[in-house]
Amino acid sequence: DTGVSQDPRHKITKRGQNVTFRCDPISEHNRLYWYRQTLGQGPEFLTYFQNEAQLEKSRLLSDRFSAERPKGSFSTLEIQRTEQGDSAMYLCASSLAGTAGTKLYFGPGTRLTVL
Amino acid sequence: QKEVEQNSGPLSVPEGAIASLNCTYSDRGSQSFFWYRQYSGKSPELIMFIYSNGDKEDGRFTAQLNKASQYVSLLIRDSQPSDSATYLCAVNTQYSSASKIIFGSGTRLSIRP
Repeated sequence: DTGVSQDPRHKITKRGQNVTFRCDPISEHNRLYWYRQTLGQGPEFLTYFQNEAQLEKSRLLSDRFSAERPKGSFSTLEIQRTEQGDSAMYLCASSLAGTAGTKLYFGPGTRLTVL
Repeated sequence: QKEVEQNSGPLSVPEGAIASLNCTYSDRGSQSFFWYRQYSGKSPELIMFIYSNGDKEDGRFTAQLNKASQYVSLLIRDSQPSDSATYLCAVNTQYSSASKIIFGSGTRLSIRP
């Protein structure tokens, strides 16, 4: 068990650019979640997958955000036309569906700074 | 109304005392409830979960759930300086086959020596 990994760990971009983040979950986990966290706030739900199916997407997300999980393994989160308000820590977490407690294992996060 | 509400703190507790953290949630259909601890600059880690009314104890930690009042709490006995962190309450809302976990904004806890 190598844990959840995220790449890159830090990303600095200019407003208007597109960015893509990658998350590799724990190998046997079939659920994958994306959250966004800003200073002093809790993780804000963005979207989640069970296997390759995206089961829910936050209504707070604009159409600039898209996520994929091809083949039910790693996932990517893309933000198009970034804005300064997108600056945050983007956290990925994985879990095993059907287990009591649905424990989320978080990755180290990708810190995005939009200039 | 936020789905999961917590007092942001900071909550300051002397070493060795009991720290009490509270959380309320809005969705009566919520089924599982979690407490995560997050150290500054780190990712959240699960410390307790509970899904039945009543108390659940694990070492120095006790989670309490009251579904009628839509209230969850976490007690930390014999508080240690290493318990200083932000504590996040999370709720699993479940609709048909979907399962979404929503976090509160967290309570910052400081244990003073």
